[in-house]
Amino acid sequence: AQSVTQPDIHITVSEGASLELRCNYSYGATPYLFWYVQSPGQGLQLLLKYFSGDTLVQGIKGFEAEFKRSQSSFNLRKPSVHWSDAAEYFCAVGSYSGAGSYQLTFGKGTKLSVIP
Amino acid sequence: KAGVTQTPRYLIKTRGQQVTLSCSPISGHRSVSWYQQTPGQGLQFLFEYFSETQRNKGNFPGRFSGRQFSNSRSEMNVSTLELGDSALYLCASSSGLGPGAFFGQGTRLTVV
Repeated sequence: AQSVTQPDIHITVSEGASLELRCNYSYGATPYLFWYVQSPGQGLQLLLKYFSGDTLVQGIKGFEAEFKRSQSSFNLRKPSVHWSDAAEYFCAVGSYSGAGSYQLTFGKGTKLSVIP
Repeated sequence: KAGVTQTPRYLIKTRGQQVTLSCSPISGHRSVSWYQQTPGQGLQFLFEYFSETQRNKGNFPGRFSGRQFSNSRSEMNVSTLELGDSALYLCASSSGLGPGAFFGQGTRLTVV
């Protein structure tokens, strides 16, 4: 069965500093990988996704992520964090469930706090 | 292009009651999935509907059910509510032809 691990429950960074959020997955086949962001009381917004091809993917809001098959990782990065990036970030793996259906399995999330 | 719309945004129900949540997907999307989000369990997949048929189901009791209409709008029903059903219920919309989805704002259900 597939699983996603986000080792860091809470990360605090200063505004302007770089950011890396870690994600490790377990999935038997080629993974479909996603990063979502959730602001308090809101739904999930898709930041970026990886299906195949270039292992470095660019997303919205200046985020990027790198797929490393050998490490089963899909870490999210941003070179300079803004105060508005404070939110909770979820890594997810999309797996095929049969009958044309895919489902997302999420990590527990990493809460990002930004110090002005 | 309108996003995923979930109604209502907030609900308070009493134990033992039942509740119906609604989700209107992005225009043209035929797949609607439902997820439950709680502080303890995180985000968990409930079920997926595609072209009015349940195509996939997560590991939840039969009290949780859903349906999808011909216009792709979906409803989720929870019967005999328990305190543990208090959660944010998220609806996800997609074409249904691959992984990944766009989420709505969610319905916050509180069971008292």
